Amino acid sequence: EPEVTQTPSHQVTQMGQEVILRCVPISNHLYFYWYRQILGQKVEFLVSFYNNEISEKSEIFDDQFSVERPDGSNFTLKIRSTKLEDSAMYFCASSVRSGLQDTQYFGPGTRLTVL
Amino acid sequence: SQQGEEDPQALSIQEGENATMNCSYKTSINNLQWYRQNSGRGLVHLILIRSNEREKHSGRLRVTLDTSKKSSSLLITASRAADTASYFCATALNTGGFKTIFGAGTRLFVKA
Repeated sequence: EPEVTQTPSHQVTQMGQEVILRCVPISNHLYFYWYRQILGQKVEFLVSFYNNEISEKSEIFDDQFSVERPDGSNFTLKIRSTKLEDSAMYFCASSVRSGLQDTQYFGPGTRLTVL
Repeated sequence: SQQGEEDPQALSIQEGENATMNCSYKTSINNLQWYRQNSGRGLVHLILIRSNEREKHSGRLRVTLDTSKKSSSLLITASRAADTASYFCATALNTGGFKTIFGAGTRLFVKA
């Protein structure tokens, strides 16, 4: 069964460094999402992406964050200058149609640790 | 309450018993989804119920939706130790774009 994959599984970085988290959505899906989950807290929506542009973003998704679909398969989340509070699990998800209509399938997550 | 708030926060039952988890939300939704998360792992989709549906079944899972009360419940029948996990409801909101709001989750522990 096709699944969303994410790399790396764990990323450790120093505060102020840039990180890029990578996701390969399910191949026929058109909608892509990033979420984060700080340890012990709820899953928080960051951004949704369709047709090569952001369709919605949360208050968390400030100028330090950006997303890109650099080719036909990858979907990336970049954090420009990491802060300690960016430490969290980051989940990528994808769906065939908008999440208003359709199930989102989640990847296993990347654990980001900012020191 | 916040959008997508579950209760109870934690539930401990014996294997074979039924587990019921509830979710309440505040705004109008297009659909509501339930997910399971094993400790430190990814989210596994369980069921999606649309706003015009009242009940859905999938194996040992039964989900109800009451849009007049803005609430949903997830029933797991004949629970197994492997059902031990956190369960989240998530509501899909039409914001012009789209966003999903997750609740804080119910931690279910099924004792063998």
